[in-house]
Amino acid sequence: DAGVIQSPRHEVTEMGQEVTLRCKPISGHDYLFWYRQTMMRGLELLIYFNNNVPIDDSGMPEDRFSAKMPNASFSTLKIQPSEPRDSAVYFCASSPPGGRRQYFGPGTRLTVL
Amino acid sequence: GQQVMQIPQYQHVQEGEDFTTYCNSSTTLSNIQWYKQRPGGHPVFLIQLVKSGEVKKQKRLTFQFGEAKKNSSLHITATQTTDVGTYFCAGPEDSGGSNYKLTFGKGTLLTVNP
Repeated sequence: DAGVIQSPRHEVTEMGQEVTLRCKPISGHDYLFWYRQTMMRGLELLIYFNNNVPIDDSGMPEDRFSAKMPNASFSTLKIQPSEPRDSAVYFCASSPPGGRRQYFGPGTRLTVL
Repeated sequence: GQQVMQIPQYQHVQEGEDFTTYCNSSTTLSNIQWYKQRPGGHPVFLIQLVKSGEVKKQKRLTFQFGEAKKNSSLHITATQTTDVGTYFCAGPEDSGGSNYKLTFGKGTLLTVNP
């Protein structure tokens, strides 16, 4: 079975540009999580969805960040406009129904110049 | 809000030595999970503990959940170079009874000198 798929794996952009990160959860999983990892702050939960509905977005840093899940097999995290402090590794993870274990994707390393 | 603290932040050992990392939560946890992240990789689930005082073993790894369900530990016996990575504990936030939102500790980076 394919794991969680994220694209792109690496993204380098300039300050002010829009960035879109993509995630395909494991088929059949009904929870999807977006995390950001930095050396300073560690692994932070940004937002999570259940059955495509956002449940908790209290970790989203500010209005520049938005996330959508239009269907059970696709989610996006958008940053507009991007800033250098957004540079981090962004992970997507999913969980199956009734399961608490999270399956992480390979991550997207974002660098904002 | 809930805080999950891990110590030590870093640990360097000689291959064959033992290693232990400790995790403490500011609140009582319904369960605790442990993940491992290899350098350049992504977190991978190791185990979940649910019962007070629970002890589980995976080969050379021993996981414990405290009696008060506020702390946990991971012990590795006779480390190997394949054990290198960052070990995270994670506990669910109990607000509203959701067990799906996890708070991760900052992790312990283990390096092993062959």
